[in-house]
Amino acid sequence: EIVLTQSPGTLSLSPGERATLSCRASQSVSSSYLAWYQQKPGQAPRLLIYGASSRATGIPDRFSGSGSGTDFTLTISRLEPEDFAVYYCQHYGSSLYTFGQGTKLEIK
Amino acid sequence: EVQLVQSGAEVKKPGESLKISCKGSGYKFSSYWIAWVRQMPGKGLEWMGIIYPGDSDSRYSPSFQGQVTISADKSTNTAYLQWSSLKASDTGLYYCARRTDTLFSYMDVWGKGTTVTVSS
Repeated sequence: EIVLTQSPGTLSLSPGERATLSCRASQSVSSSYLAWYQQKPGQAPRLLIYGASSRATGIPDRFSGSGSGTDFTLTISRLEPEDFAVYYCQHYGSSLYTFGQGTKLEIK
Repeated sequence: EVQLVQSGAEVKKPGESLKISCKGSGYKFSSYWIAWVRQMPGKGLEWMGIIYPGDSDSRYSPSFQGQVTISADKSTNTAYLQWSSLKASDTGLYYCARRTDTLFSYMDVWGKGTTVTVSS
């Protein structure tokens, strides 16, 4: 079973700064099956990135995804106030899904 | 509009049974897998399992296999998550989510969640 480890657990930044969130898989995975979600308090998760680097419909271009193999990154180029939330990576493989434990992006 | 509407919050006692629902609309329900995801209070997302309403083919996370049952009724466009004997540790927020029909297999539509509280 693949384990996804996200880092850091909490990231404290200011609006306008650049955020870099990491997701590391316990073994090499297909980029096609790596997604990122954003969750705000009291809301359901929202898809941001699929296939490791493709933005979902309606997602601003300040969000970008990259990576391959075991290391994947979600980058937010210039943080807006509405971007402060929890972010999860997710992998699908062998009929099973796995989520990372999440990174909380908080206002510094 | 594509949406998943989940049943309301539940408060149950340990040992009781429970079945919560997720009704799809705005798309062909039988053709898309529906997943269930748990979020315990203050914690992250945990994938529980998934079902294909067209033929009720299902898969479970090893962590939840035998602990819950996922089912679906394509005639009513509804998926279900059920417990036969609840424990306090089943307290949490349960989301259903639709899996995209593309190769990428991500969850593209989410319900708002059903809160389950198990307490004596």
